[in-house]
Amino acid sequence: GAVVSQHPSWVICKSGTSVKIECRSLDFQATTMFWYRQFPKQSLMLMATSNEGSKATYEQGVEKDKFLINHASLTLSTLTVTSAHPEDSSFYICSARNSGTTEAFFGQGTRLTVV
Amino acid sequence: DAKTTQPPSMDCAEGRAANLPCNHSTISGNEYVYWYRQIHSQGPQYIIHGLKNNETNEMASLIITEDRKSSTLILPHATLRDTAVYYCIVDNNAGNMLTFGGGTRLMVKP
Repeated sequence: GAVVSQHPSWVICKSGTSVKIECRSLDFQATTMFWYRQFPKQSLMLMATSNEGSKATYEQGVEKDKFLINHASLTLSTLTVTSAHPEDSSFYICSARNSGTTEAFFGQGTRLTVV
Repeated sequence: DAKTTQPPSMDCAEGRAANLPCNHSTISGNEYVYWYRQIHSQGPQYIIHGLKNNETNEMASLIITEDRKSSTLILPHATLRDTAVYYCIVDNNAGNMLTFGGGTRLMVKP
Protein backbone atom coordinates (compact mmCIF):
# COMPACT_ATOMS: atom_id res chain seq x y z
CA GLY A 1 0.00 0.00 0.00
CA ALA A 2 0.89 3.64 -0.22
CA VAL A 3 3.53 4.77 2.21
CA VAL A 4 4.42 8.11 3.66
CA SER A 5 7.89 8.41 5.12
CA GLN A 6 8.88 11.05 7.63
CA HIS A 7 12.39 11.98 8.70
CA PRO A 8 13.88 12.30 11.25
CA SER A 9 11.99 10.16 13.77
CA TRP A 10 13.30 12.24 16.60
CA VAL A 11 15.44 15.30 17.05
CA ILE A 12 16.81 17.27 19.96
CA CYS A 13 17.84 20.85 19.32
CA LYS A 14 18.93 23.86 21.26
CA SER A 15 16.58 26.74 21.86
CA GLY A 16 16.86 29.32 19.09
CA THR A 17 17.94 26.93 16.37
CA SER A 18 15.88 25.69 13.41
CA VAL A 19 14.84 22.15 12.62
CA LYS A 20 13.66 20.74 9.29
CA ILE A 21 11.32 17.75 9.05
CA GLU A 22 10.81 15.95 5.76
CA CYS A 23 7.71 14.12 4.58
CA ARG A 24 7.83 11.98 1.46
CA SER A 25 5.17 10.04 -0.36
CA LEU A 26 7.06 6.97 -1.53
CA ASP A 27 4.85 5.46 -4.22
CA PHE A 28 2.33 8.10 -5.13
CA GLN A 29 2.18 11.77 -5.97
CA ALA A 30 0.64 14.02 -3.37
CA THR A 31 -0.46 17.48 -4.45
CA THR A 32 -1.56 18.08 -0.89
CA MET A 33 0.03 17.06 2.37
CA PHE A 34 -1.07 17.83 5.90
CA TRP A 35 1.00 18.66 8.95
CA TYR A 36 -0.30 17.83 12.41
CA ARG A 37 1.06 18.46 15.89
CA GLN A 38 0.33 16.31 18.91
CA PHE A 39 1.10 17.19 22.51
CA PRO A 40 1.32 14.47 25.18
CA LYS A 41 -1.99 12.77 25.94
CA GLN A 42 -3.78 14.92 23.38
CA SER A 43 -5.18 14.28 19.94
CA LEU A 44 -3.71 15.34 16.62
CA MET A 45 -4.26 18.97 15.72
CA LEU A 46 -3.94 20.18 12.14
CA MET A 47 -1.30 22.87 11.76
CA ALA A 48 -1.27 23.50 8.04
CA THR A 49 -2.09 22.17 4.61
CA SER A 50 0.85 21.96 2.25
CA ASN A 51 0.08 22.54 -1.43
CA GLU A 52 2.53 21.61 -4.17
CA GLY A 53 3.72 24.67 -6.02
CA SER A 54 1.84 27.17 -3.92
CA LYS A 55 1.71 28.62 -0.44
CA ALA A 56 0.64 26.53 2.48
CA THR A 57 -2.61 27.19 4.30
CA TYR A 58 -2.21 27.59 8.04
CA GLU A 59 -4.77 26.92 10.74
CA GLN A 60 -5.78 29.69 13.06
CA GLY A 61 -3.20 30.32 15.73
CA VAL A 62 -0.31 28.71 13.84
CA GLU A 63 2.45 31.18 13.00
CA LYS A 64 3.38 30.87 9.35
CA ASP A 65 6.70 32.62 9.85
CA LYS A 66 7.67 30.19 12.56
CA PHE A 67 6.54 26.99 10.87
CA LEU A 68 7.82 27.25 7.31
CA ILE A 69 6.36 24.77 4.87
CA ASN A 70 7.80 24.01 1.46
CA HIS A 71 6.11 21.61 -0.96
CA ALA A 72 8.48 21.82 -3.89
CA SER A 73 7.64 18.52 -5.54
CA LEU A 74 4.77 16.06 -5.73
CA THR A 75 6.52 13.70 -3.34
CA LEU A 76 8.14 15.95 -0.77
CA SER A 77 6.93 18.47 1.78
CA THR A 78 9.14 19.96 4.48
CA LEU A 79 8.28 21.64 7.75
CA THR A 80 10.92 23.90 9.28
CA VAL A 81 10.49 24.99 12.86
CA THR A 82 12.41 28.24 13.04
CA SER A 83 13.90 29.68 16.22
CA ALA A 84 12.61 26.73 18.18
CA HIS A 85 11.65 27.15 21.82
CA PRO A 86 10.88 24.55 24.48
CA GLU A 87 7.14 25.08 23.99
CA ASP A 88 7.57 23.85 20.39
CA SER A 89 8.53 20.45 21.74
CA SER A 90 5.90 18.10 20.38
CA PHE A 91 5.18 15.16 18.09
CA TYR A 92 4.86 16.33 14.48
CA ILE A 93 3.07 14.11 11.97
CA CYS A 94 2.55 14.49 8.24
CA SER A 95 -0.17 12.92 6.14
CA ALA A 96 -1.07 12.56 2.49
CA ARG A 97 -3.92 11.05 0.53
CA ASN A 98 -3.41 9.26 -2.74
CA SER A 99 -6.03 10.30 -5.27
CA GLY A 100 -6.34 6.66 -6.28
CA THR A 101 -7.40 5.53 -2.82
CA THR A 102 -9.64 6.84 -0.10
CA GLU A 103 -7.71 6.47 3.13
CA ALA A 104 -5.08 8.88 4.39
CA PHE A 105 -1.52 7.74 5.01
CA PHE A 106 0.56 9.05 7.85
CA GLY A 107 4.26 9.37 8.43
CA GLN A 108 5.89 7.77 11.44
CA GLY A 109 6.00 11.10 13.23
CA THR A 110 8.89 13.25 14.46
CA ARG A 111 9.43 13.81 18.14
CA LEU A 112 10.98 17.24 18.58
CA THR A 113 12.58 18.17 21.89
CA VAL A 114 13.87 21.70 22.30
CA VAL A 115 16.27 22.18 25.19
CA ASP B 1 -14.59 20.36 15.81
CA ALA B 2 -14.67 16.60 15.63
CA LYS B 3 -18.03 15.25 14.55
CA THR B 4 -17.74 12.04 16.52
CA THR B 5 -18.03 11.00 20.15
CA GLN B 6 -16.12 8.08 21.62
CA PRO B 7 -15.57 6.79 25.15
CA PRO B 8 -12.16 7.95 26.38
CA SER B 9 -10.94 4.52 27.40
CA MET B 10 -11.76 0.82 27.33
CA ASP B 11 -10.19 -2.38 28.56
CA CYS B 12 -10.29 -5.73 26.82
CA ALA B 13 -8.96 -9.14 27.74
CA GLU B 14 -6.44 -10.66 25.37
CA GLY B 15 -8.09 -13.05 22.95
CA ARG B 16 -11.52 -11.58 23.42
CA ALA B 17 -13.37 -9.33 20.99
CA ALA B 18 -12.94 -5.61 21.45
CA ASN B 19 -16.01 -3.58 20.54
CA LEU B 20 -15.34 0.14 20.20
CA PRO B 21 -18.40 2.39 19.83
CA CYS B 22 -18.65 5.72 18.05
CA ASN B 23 -21.48 8.21 17.80
CA HIS B 24 -21.75 10.40 14.70
CA SER B 25 -25.32 11.65 14.86
CA THR B 26 -24.70 14.61 12.53
CA ILE B 27 -23.11 12.60 9.74
CA SER B 28 -24.04 13.74 6.23
CA GLY B 29 -25.23 11.46 3.48
CA ASN B 30 -21.94 11.66 1.58
CA GLU B 31 -19.69 11.13 4.57
CA TYR B 32 -17.91 7.90 5.29
CA VAL B 33 -16.99 6.51 8.69
CA TYR B 34 -13.26 5.91 9.01
CA TRP B 35 -11.32 4.23 11.78
CA TYR B 36 -7.65 4.79 12.46
CA ARG B 37 -5.49 3.75 15.36
CA GLN B 38 -2.35 5.22 16.84
CA ILE B 39 0.10 3.07 18.70
CA HIS B 40 2.25 4.97 21.15
CA SER B 41 4.75 7.33 19.49
CA GLN B 42 3.75 6.35 15.96
CA GLY B 43 1.69 7.95 13.23
CA PRO B 44 -1.95 6.89 12.85
CA GLN B 45 -2.68 3.72 10.91
CA TYR B 46 -5.73 3.18 8.72
CA ILE B 47 -7.98 0.32 9.82
CA ILE B 48 -11.24 0.33 7.90
CA HIS B 49 -13.97 2.55 6.52
CA GLY B 50 -17.55 2.28 5.36
CA LEU B 51 -20.53 4.27 4.10
CA LYS B 52 -23.67 2.29 4.81
CA ASN B 53 -22.91 -1.41 4.72
CA ASN B 54 -20.97 -3.35 7.26
CA GLU B 55 -17.38 -3.94 6.26
CA THR B 56 -14.75 -6.50 7.17
CA ASN B 57 -11.07 -6.76 6.38
CA GLU B 58 -8.10 -8.60 7.79
CA MET B 59 -7.82 -6.19 10.71
CA ALA B 60 -11.36 -5.56 11.87
CA SER B 61 -15.08 -5.37 11.19
CA LEU B 62 -17.13 -2.22 11.02
CA ILE B 63 -20.80 -2.27 11.93
CA ILE B 64 -22.80 0.84 10.96
CA THR B 65 -26.33 1.30 12.23
CA GLU B 66 -29.11 1.64 9.70
CA ASP B 67 -29.61 5.32 10.51
CA ARG B 68 -25.81 5.79 10.26
CA LYS B 69 -25.74 7.74 13.50
CA SER B 70 -23.38 5.33 15.18
CA SER B 71 -20.95 2.57 14.45
CA THR B 72 -18.87 -0.08 16.18
CA LEU B 73 -15.38 -1.22 15.37
CA ILE B 74 -14.81 -4.85 16.23
CA LEU B 75 -11.40 -6.40 16.75
CA PRO B 76 -12.40 -10.08 16.81
CA HIS B 77 -9.48 -11.45 18.82
CA ALA B 78 -7.62 -8.64 20.54
CA THR B 79 -3.91 -9.05 21.16
CA LEU B 80 -1.55 -7.02 23.32
CA ARG B 81 -0.31 -5.31 20.17
CA ASP B 82 -3.77 -3.87 19.63
CA THR B 83 -3.28 -1.57 22.60
CA ALA B 84 -3.60 1.88 21.04
CA VAL B 85 -5.78 4.95 20.71
CA TYR B 86 -8.57 4.33 18.22
CA TYR B 87 -10.03 7.26 16.31
CA CYS B 88 -13.42 7.31 14.62
CA ILE B 89 -13.61 9.99 11.93
CA VAL B 90 -16.27 11.03 9.44
CA ASP B 91 -15.01 12.22 6.08
CA ASN B 92 -16.45 12.93 2.65
CA ASN B 93 -13.50 11.52 0.69
CA ALA B 94 -12.83 14.89 -0.92
CA GLY B 95 -9.15 14.60 -0.10
CA ASN B 96 -9.26 17.09 2.72
CA MET B 97 -7.55 16.86 6.07
CA LEU B 98 -8.93 14.56 8.73
CA THR B 99 -10.24 16.03 11.97
CA PHE B 100 -9.32 13.95 14.99
CA GLY B 101 -11.37 13.81 18.16
CA GLY B 102 -10.23 12.41 21.45
CA GLY B 103 -10.40 8.77 20.40
CA THR B 104 -10.69 5.73 22.65
CA ARG B 105 -7.63 4.46 24.44
CA LEU B 106 -7.93 0.67 24.27
CA MET B 107 -5.90 -1.31 26.74
CA VAL B 108 -5.64 -5.01 25.99
CA LYS B 109 -4.72 -6.92 29.12
CA PRO B 110 -3.25 -10.41 29.50
